[in-house]
Amino acid sequence: AQKVTQAQTEISVVEKEDVTLDCVYETRDTTYYLFWYKQPPSGELVFLIRRNSFDEQNEISGRYSWNFQKSTSSFNFTITASQVVDSAVYFCALSAPGTASKLTFGTGTRLQVTL
Amino acid sequence: DGGITQSPKYLFRKEGQNVTLSCEQNLNHDAMYWYRQDPGQGLRLIYYSQIVNDFQKGDIAEGYSVSREKKESFPLTVTSAQKNPTAFYLCASSISASPATQYFGPGTRLTVL
Repeated sequence: AQKVTQAQTEISVVEKEDVTLDCVYETRDTTYYLFWYKQPPSGELVFLIRRNSFDEQNEISGRYSWNFQKSTSSFNFTITASQVVDSAVYFCALSAPGTASKLTFGTGTRLQVTL
Repeated sequence: DGGITQSPKYLFRKEGQNVTLSCEQNLNHDAMYWYRQDPGQGLRLIYYSQIVNDFQKGDIAEGYSVSREKKESFPLTVTSAQKNPTAFYLCASSISASPATQYFGPGTRLTVL
């Protein structure tokens, strides 16, 4: 069975601080895919990144970066110099081949960025 | 603009009534999905469809039904058999069944009074 754990329920930071959102996953598959989605107050989930299990290179996109470590089954997400617009719930998710792309979601981390 | 539309944004129904949530996509995606989100929880899969006229149950299908008569449309009916229907419902689609990135609609918040 697949499982995704986001232990941080809620994080509050002041604007311009860096923040890391943790994601730990469990799977028996050797090939799998990891995702991060952002859910702003409007409710729609916005796709941020997808990673496959064979690609452990860290990814950076503007102020966002992702650290994938198979050794610790983690796929952490860092926002550098956070902004108020980053306030949202962030979900980590896991998918495996042959499962019709079904996603197993974590329970999400609510990030509150204040001035 | 291409995307996924869900209507309405907010929906109120009396207990015991069936209600149908709309989901339409113009992305030419093959697969479509319905998820349920409860406060403080992740998303749980209700039903999914990989091709027209075919669909499969997800993790929490009891009390729900779907149809996939057109590639663009995947309506979800919340029946009176669903014990706790009040929730936020999200529809998603992807370009192919597996593996693929899912893109989500804006969601429908259903409240059963």
